Parts: sequence; structure tokens; C-alpha cells
Amino acid sequence: SFELTQSPSVSVSPGQTAKITCSGAALSKRYAHWYQQKSGQAPVLVIYEDNRRPSGIPERFSGSNSGTMATLTIIGAQVEDGADYYCYSKDSSDRGVFGGGTKLTVL
Amino acid sequence: EVYMEESGGGVIQPGGSLRLSCAASGFAFDDYGMHWVRQVPGRGLEWVSFISGDGGFTYYADSVKGRFTISRDNSKNSLYLQMTSLRTEDTALYFCAKDVIYQKPYYFDSWGPGTLVTVSS
Repeated sequence: SFELTQSPSVSVSPGQTAKITCSGAALSKRYAHWYQQKSGQAPVLVIYEDNRRPSGIPERFSGSNSGTMATLTIIGAQVEDGADYYCYSKDSSDRGVFGGGTKLTVL
Repeated sequence: EVYMEESGGGVIQPGGSLRLSCAASGFAFDDYGMHWVRQVPGRGLEWVSFISGDGGFTYYADSVKGRFTISRDNSKNSLYLQMTSLRTEDTALYFCAKDVIYQKPYYFDSWGPGTLVTVSS
């Protein structure tokens, strides 16, 4: 079955670049989307279709997808970017698949 | 503004049934597919099910297939999840989420706040 793997945690200092990765078989042949979830809140879409940013999402958020790995990059991370981040894609039967999530700490 | 609110959660014994609802507003409900996604408290997100805009196509995660049924009533701008044969591992916060297209699962751009289902004896 199709699975997406994320590292459990990433930690950076404010102003640094945070990279959160998501790996899966032939992931670049599918779109990867990214969601930010802060404690006690519903997830929010931050990147869709690998590298597109919804309106209202800061320009410091960007995405890429190549080979078996998609990457969410936050250039100049802010304290308020601290949250859980999930990648999302679909399997060959069009069923949704989430990565296990990465806890980003910006301190 | 897009708004969705889930309801129907609660405490239920293993083997029991429960029906979740999601009331939507602020968009043309029947133009979009809809999903259910769940999250065990303190754990990650799990995709559960999808239904197309007209209700003609449905998809399920293996973990719920045969036990859960997704449906919608476009006249009421409402989405449902009928859950039967509930197990303790179904305990989670259940979110409804709006897809960006009509026919097949793609990705979600809006979510409700969720409703908590607890399966416990």
C-alpha cells in the first residue's frame, strides 16, 4: 500500500530555514499537498499541487516535489510557524493518504 | 465565507452505531466533493472517506470499508457519515473537509472544527 513518511520533528531558531520532508514511492508522479495544524485547531492548507501557495499564506512557505520526496520549506521561520505539518497525496485507487506528521519547533 | 460544522459525536459502546453530520455554508455545496478525515487525539491525520458532488462516487479507507457509509443531501447542504460496528480504534476527532473539485478526491481547502467520537465500554 502507498505510504508517506515524514520525520517526527524538526527544530530551528527564528529566522532560519526549516525543511520538512515527505517520502513515498514515485511521489513526484502525484501531487503533494501540505497542511499546517496548530494545537487544538483544524488543519490549514499551506501548499497545494507541490509548490503552489493559497492566498493568505506567507511567501516564506514554498514546496517542491522530485523523485520520491516532497519538501516543504519555510525560509525565515517565525515563532508562529511552530505547528504540526502533514503532507497529503493519493494512492493508485484515488484514496487519500497522509504522512505521519512533523512537529516543527521554532525557538 | 466557507463554513462547515460537524455534529453527532459522543460516547458509544463498541459494536454500536453513530451518525455524524456536517452542515456547510458559504459555497455551492453540490459543486464540490466532500471528505471525512479523523484524528486520534495527540496523533496524526487519517483520511476516511470521500463523496462526489452528486453523491454518485464514494471512496473509503480500508480501515472503515464495509462499516462506514458516506452520504450527502445537497438540498440541505449537508454531509453525513453513518458509522456501524464501531471499534475502540475508531475513537477520534472527525473532521469534514471540502475538496477543490467535484468528481474525484483531490485535496481539501477548508475544514470544519471536528466532532469527537469516543468508543468505549
